[in-house]
Amino acid sequence: NAGVTQTPKFQVLKTGQSMTLQCAQDMNHNSMYWYRQDPGMGLRLIYYSASEGTTDKGEVPNGYNVSRLNKREFSLRLESAAPSQTSVYFCASSERFQGSTDTQYFGPGTRLTVL
Amino acid sequence: AQSVTQPDIHITVSEGASLELRCNYSYGATPYLFWYVQSPGQGLQLLLKYFSGDTLVQGIKGFEAEFKRSQSSFNLRKPSVHWSDAAEYFCAVGMFSGGYNKLIFGAGTRLAVHP
Repeated sequence: NAGVTQTPKFQVLKTGQSMTLQCAQDMNHNSMYWYRQDPGMGLRLIYYSASEGTTDKGEVPNGYNVSRLNKREFSLRLESAAPSQTSVYFCASSERFQGSTDTQYFGPGTRLTVL
Repeated sequence: AQSVTQPDIHITVSEGASLELRCNYSYGATPYLFWYVQSPGQGLQLLLKYFSGDTLVQGIKGFEAEFKRSQSSFNLRKPSVHWSDAAEYFCAVGMFSGGYNKLIFGAGTRLAVHP
């Protein structure tokens, strides 16, 4: 039981390049989330998927797109990377989307640097 | 505006000493409260959570937290710190904001443990 897995662990991009961060969970959870973590700011929600087939914007969605490929997988895409997107990205999942009450389980993170 | 404040950015304690990490929140209704720990290079792991009932909650690794409604606080405590407790600790509050239920994270407190 791997929990939440993320690939890649590290990535360096040049400004304007695109890439997709992958996330998968094997806990049969309905809801999945993408956060970014910046120093001194905690975690901020980028997008979430309450259930398979739905996605919604979070607090900081600009510059990102997401795809809920199936119940297990939720990807985050940067179409044209900018230095302001240098951050650590975490994927999380929860059994259902109660949001405020559900325990979220986090992946190990992807450290992205945009030059 | 809803917010979560962790006043201490860094804390250093000696091994065996007691620990208290502070968390204050601003929210008009009863919140749902969480503490997560992030070890270096790892994702976030849930330590404990409070939804209702007894305001003193026990978590994993010997941690406990107390919800004080009058002070809008949810401080994390441990009576005797171990070197392996060195990590970053995040307080999170579940609340309804911006049209959906979500977790708001504090900026984190980095704990260093001296031998």
